[in-house]
Amino acid sequence: NAGVMQNPRHLVRRRGQEARLRCSPMKGHSHVYWYRQLPEEGLKFMVYLQKENIIDESGMPKERFSAEFPKEGPSILRIQQVVRGDSAAYFCASSSTGTQYFGPGTRLLVL
Amino acid sequence: AQKITQTQPGMFVQEKEAVTLDCTYDTSDPSYGLFWYKQPSSGEMIFLIYQGSYDQQNATEGRYSLNFQKARKSANLVISASQLGDSAMYFCAMSSNDYKLSFGAGTTVTVRA
Repeated sequence: NAGVMQNPRHLVRRRGQEARLRCSPMKGHSHVYWYRQLPEEGLKFMVYLQKENIIDESGMPKERFSAEFPKEGPSILRIQQVVRGDSAAYFCASSSTGTQYFGPGTRLLVL
Repeated sequence: AQKITQTQPGMFVQEKEAVTLDCTYDTSDPSYGLFWYKQPSSGEMIFLIYQGSYDQQNATEGRYSLNFQKARKSANLVISASQLGDSAMYFCAMSSNDYKLSFGAGTTVTVRA
């Protein structure tokens, strides 16, 4: 099954630590998207990437958050100096054209 | 700016009956796509159905159908013959630039035996 893969599925960090979330798109998909879901809410767009390019990062917080999709390897969402408000589910999606298919998400808990 | 509204926070439906989940949207773009996703308690997001703004016919995928009323800007999801496994949160989403999805707040569906 070549679905979108995310790891880790669950991540616990203490305030001030760094969180790295990884996403491998579906085979043949060159577009990757990151979304954040706060408890009891819908998903909110964060960033859209293609290989080695950030296409749209309008939904990313200005500080502490960064994303990349290198030529080789998975896409990485990096959160530096995490705070409790970063606790959420982070979903990655990929597409070739049109429909976005989502990974299982990474649940980040900041203590 | 795009906006998706789901006014039903939660719904109960009897097993084997049909249920309609409401979704209205607002966009000034002439070309857009409408999507429904299912999020069971396990947390993953499962794509259900897609409707393009220029599609003449309502989309159907098995027991899922999308009641698309363009003039009213509504894209309701109909689940026919509900099953216990349909109990989940359902999200309506829209994209008008081929990528950025805007999601509604979701509707929780509980199917009763």
